[in-house]
Amino acid sequence: GAVVSQHPSWVICKSGTSVKIECRSLDFQATTMFWYRQFPKQSLMLMATSNEGSKATYEQGVEKDKFLINHASLTLSTLTVTSAHPEDSSFYICSARALLGQETQYFGPGTRLLVL
Amino acid sequence: AQKITQTQPGMFVQEKEAVTLDCTYDTSDQSYGLFWYKQPSSGEMIFLIYQGSYDEQNATEGRYSLNFQKARKSANLVISASQLGDSAMYFCAMREALYITGGGNKLTFGTGTQLKVEL
Repeated sequence: GAVVSQHPSWVICKSGTSVKIECRSLDFQATTMFWYRQFPKQSLMLMATSNEGSKATYEQGVEKDKFLINHASLTLSTLTVTSAHPEDSSFYICSARALLGQETQYFGPGTRLLVL
Repeated sequence: AQKITQTQPGMFVQEKEAVTLDCTYDTSDQSYGLFWYKQPSSGEMIFLIYQGSYDEQNATEGRYSLNFQKARKSANLVISASQLGDSAMYFCAMREALYITGGGNKLTFGTGTQLKVEL
């Protein structure tokens, strides 16, 4: 149980294009999903917290117009990197917290984004 | 001040030996949770073990145990009988303001410890 998937796992795109990353909780309903960014050999940095049906809460310094988050259902959240630039290249990883009782966040396998 | 401190950037351990990965934390909340995650080179974050601040017993999950010393604010991970597959980056994380509706859901991560298991 507690499986979280992410799609795509790898994406290479040209500068200026937008990229959408999907995060799905496969066997549980997630009230809250989180989006993190990780640079090589560094820790995870929380970008935003999204709750189903409401606007995401962004961490300080994260541009909400740049990183659009939609949490349309209890099993799906999407992160769209708009007008991507090379400095957006990173490892993006989502996590989901279950509806009731669970304190644990379960992570997706991550998406490696390379912007050329 | 750092909320989560992992002072060991890298550790080596021989196969079948036990290893302790250090983690100290800083919080003024009474209710909080401590987590350990493993991140192999593939990048996925694998949940290992959880300890709630009110849990009186140290958490254990198979070969993983959490040495929780509340007064010292430490939550060290002990891996017994190390295996080659344990080689990975290990992150300690904390969630504050547990059990409070609308309280912080966020996990704060330490900088990680790279563990290498040798033959």
